[in-house]
Amino acid sequence: AQSVTQPDIHITVSEGASLELRCNYSYGATPYLFWYVQSPGQGLQLLLKYFSGDTLVQGIKGFEAEFKRSQSSFNLRKPSVHWSDAAEYFCAVGPLNRDDKIIFGKGTRLHILP
Amino acid sequence: EPEVTQTPSHQVTQMGQEVILRCVPISNHLYFYWYRQILGQKVEFLVSFYNNEISEKSEIFDDQFSVERPDGSNFTLKIRSTKLEDSAMYFCASSTGTAEAFFGQGTRLTVV
Repeated sequence: AQSVTQPDIHITVSEGASLELRCNYSYGATPYLFWYVQSPGQGLQLLLKYFSGDTLVQGIKGFEAEFKRSQSSFNLRKPSVHWSDAAEYFCAVGPLNRDDKIIFGKGTRLHILP
Repeated sequence: EPEVTQTPSHQVTQMGQEVILRCVPISNHLYFYWYRQILGQKVEFLVSFYNNEISEKSEIFDDQFSVERPDGSNFTLKIRSTKLEDSAMYFCASSTGTAEAFFGQGTRLTVV
């Protein structure tokens, strides 16, 4: 069955520190991969996406993610976090077929210490 | 930049009432979706819609839910006889079918 696992429910880092949010997926083939960010009470904003090609993708707000096929992972990173990065982060996969759906992980809530 | 628009942003309704959540997808998109996010939980797929019919629906999407594309621009989610547990953020999304879906800002539904 298709699934997305974000093993960390909460992560706390100090402002200025580096960040890595983990994401693993289970899919029939290599899916399209996404990271979304959601601030409290807000909608979903696409940070970055991977379709094919270079396995290191750059996104908005200084985020990047690396696709590792052998590990079925798509971890999100940022070298230096800012207080405004505090939010919920969702990894998502799919769709391979035109009428397929996107599946979300349960999310990781990022807390930033001043 | 084109975007998916959802109205209203927040709706409060009494238990047992019917609600209609509205979405205007991006104009050249052909695939439409509704997702639900109960407060503090994951974003869950409800239904996908293509060519004026449902492509896929989750087990959440039972008989109290229906979707419609009443004209060339709107895509609606109707919830009949709302229950307290229907309180959630509802997201509409659309895509051209080439993988990336664009999400609206959501409608927060509160059932009291």
